[in-house]
This record gives sequence, structure tokens and C-alpha cells, in this order.
Amino acid sequence: QQQVKQSPQSLIVQKGGISIINCAYENTAFDYFPWYQQFPGKGPALLIAIRPDVSEKKEGRFTISFNKSAKQFSLHIMDSQPGDSATYFCAASWESGGYQKVTFGIGTKLQVIP
Amino acid sequence: DAGITQSPRHKVTETGTPVTLRCHQTENHRYMYWYRQDPGHGLRLIHYSYGVKDTDKGEVSDGYSVSRSKTEDFLLTLESATSSQTSVYFCAINSPGTPSTDTQYFGPGTRLTVL
Repeated sequence: QQQVKQSPQSLIVQKGGISIINCAYENTAFDYFPWYQQFPGKGPALLIAIRPDVSEKKEGRFTISFNKSAKQFSLHIMDSQPGDSATYFCAASWESGGYQKVTFGIGTKLQVIP
Repeated sequence: DAGITQSPRHKVTETGTPVTLRCHQTENHRYMYWYRQDPGHGLRLIHYSYGVKDTDKGEVSDGYSVSRSKTEDFLLTLESATSSQTSVYFCAINSPGTPSTDTQYFGPGTRLTVL
């Protein structure tokens, strides 16, 4: 059972458009919400992350929007480029037994077409 | 490059054979993890280690064992491989250069096929 529900599983966006990936959770113990980007044949790599005390974080064309009351967060990719084509995972982490545990969404395969 | 390698990168084996995957880090991090990645399931934690000889189970640990005799090496063993263990396996450590274990840094993965 996924502790973080991610949608959609696949997404096709025109170059220059906005890509939006959504995640939802129930566990209020989660205290850190990272997004990972994975290119084919590579391991996931941290893209951007947010803590629940802020509602938005922006890094270049990538923005996380966080709604604590709704237990939802989303990744927005502005001016999407073909080079953004990858699989994106949302995740949530919490402290348990003295270290941070992490749970991942199922991933969204993004394709940006020229 | 954060200094984490996995070997082998690809392996094809037959059902019932033992398989060992190796993760090696040069960052001296205390925490190491093994995940498997499957379509429709994302990344699922198999086992993790919080120090030499200190390991614990993750959410999909059945059929897997691990060992960590040195800080830099974390081994994942499939005692008797089954077709359901065909997957891509990733090792991870907590982010290099930070005291926090919030963020995972992943190796390049091992693609395992069990026939």
C-alpha cells in the first residue's frame, strides 16, 4: 500500500508547457517532502524538496506547492523542455528509531514533445 | 559523483541460484539502503543498514538478506532467486556532505533478470 499516492502515472506535455504532478499523503508524521528525477538507466537524483512549514519552494523552473491542511503537494515544471523527459518520484520522510525513513510514490513518466 | 557504485550493473541468472549484489561507497556514510524498482510500485525498501553489522528489514525483505562488514560495503543476497525478484536494484546512502539523513543519494542500479 502506497503511503504517498502519486498521479498521473504518465504525462505528455508540449515543449514550453507546464507539467504538473500531484501527490497526496495521510501520515501527519511526515516532515520532509523531496522530489526525485530519474533518467533512463540512471538512479533517481534529488530535484527539489520542501518542509511542511512552507507552502511553496521554487528552484529555477521547478516549483513545489504544498498544502498541509489537504495533505497534498505537487511539482510544477514551467516552460517544460525535452530534456525534462524523465520519471519523477515524490517522496515523504519521517523520523523513526533515530533515523529518517523514506517512502516513495509510484512515479510519473513525463514526456515533453517538441 | 557522490562516490557510490554498484556491481554488477547487469545480471541474468536462473531460478534457484544464489545472487549477491554489491554496493560500495567512498563517502563514509553510516546509513545505506537497498531498494527495488518495479513499474507500478515505485521504489520499495528491501533492507537498510545504520552501521557496520547493524541492519534491519524494509517493507519487501522476504527472500533477501544483507550484510555489512565494512562501512563502505553493503551486500544484498538473494539466497535462491525467483522470477518475482526480477527487478532493478538501487543502493542508496544519505546525502554526502550533510549531517542529515533526510535525502537519499542513489547508485546507478543493477538490472537483475531471473529466468
